[in-house]
Amino acid sequence: KQEVTQIPAALSVPEGENLVLNCSFTDSAIYNLQWFRQDPGKGLTSLLLIQSSQREQTSGRLNASLDKSSGRSTLYIAASQPGDSATYLCAVNTGGFKTIFGAGTRLFVKA
Amino acid sequence: DAGVIQSPRHEVTEMGQEVTLRCKPISGHDYLFWYRQTMMRGLELLIYFNNNVPIDDSGMPEDRFSAKMPNASFSTLKIQPSEPRDSAVYFCASSLLAHEQYFGPGTRLTVT
Repeated sequence: KQEVTQIPAALSVPEGENLVLNCSFTDSAIYNLQWFRQDPGKGLTSLLLIQSSQREQTSGRLNASLDKSSGRSTLYIAASQPGDSATYLCAVNTGGFKTIFGAGTRLFVKA
Repeated sequence: DAGVIQSPRHEVTEMGQEVTLRCKPISGHDYLFWYRQTMMRGLELLIYFNNNVPIDDSGMPEDRFSAKMPNASFSTLKIQPSEPRDSAVYFCASSLLAHEQYFGPGTRLTVT
C-alpha cells in the first residue's frame, strides 16, 4: 500500500531564505507526482507535475525533483516571500489515477 | 475557462438529512475526482470517473455515499442519511488524461 510522508510538518523561515520541502513515498511504481499549494480555507492550486520519466520541473522560483528509486521528491523554493505562506501538499499518482496525498507541510515566511 | 465549479460552497444540515454536492469539471477534461479533507485524515480520494464512468470507488466510506456523473459536465456526490462524522470539506477535481489535476474551491459540509 502506497504511503506518502511529508517532512517537516511545519516550517517557519525569514523572508528571502531558500528552503526545501520533502516528500517520500513507499512504492516507487508511480505514474506521476504533483505538488500543490493550499491557502487556509481554500482549494488546492497545482504548482508542478513531474511525470515518472522526468527528474525535475521548474516554474519561476519553484523547482521540484523526483528520485523514484529512493522514493523521494523535493520542492525547492528560492528567495521565499511572505506570500509563499501556505500548506504545501505532495500527491502521488499510483497508476489507474489513484492519487495518494501527504499530510502537507505548513510554511510560514516571516516578513 | 472558469475552472472547476462546486456548489454549494457551504452546507449545514441536520443528522439524517440527505446532502447533495455538485461539481462541474473543466470543459474537455475526461477525469473527475471526488476527495474529502479532514484534519484527522487529510485528503482522501473517494471516487473517480473516466469519461463519465466510475472507475474506482474503493475510497467511498460507506453505502450512505453515492456518486454519479450523468454527463461530461456534471457530477454529484450524495450522502443519505448524513451523520456528524461526515463533516468535512469535499473537493472535486478534474484532469485531462494523466495531466495535472485541477481542484474546485470545495464544499464545507457541517452535519449537526
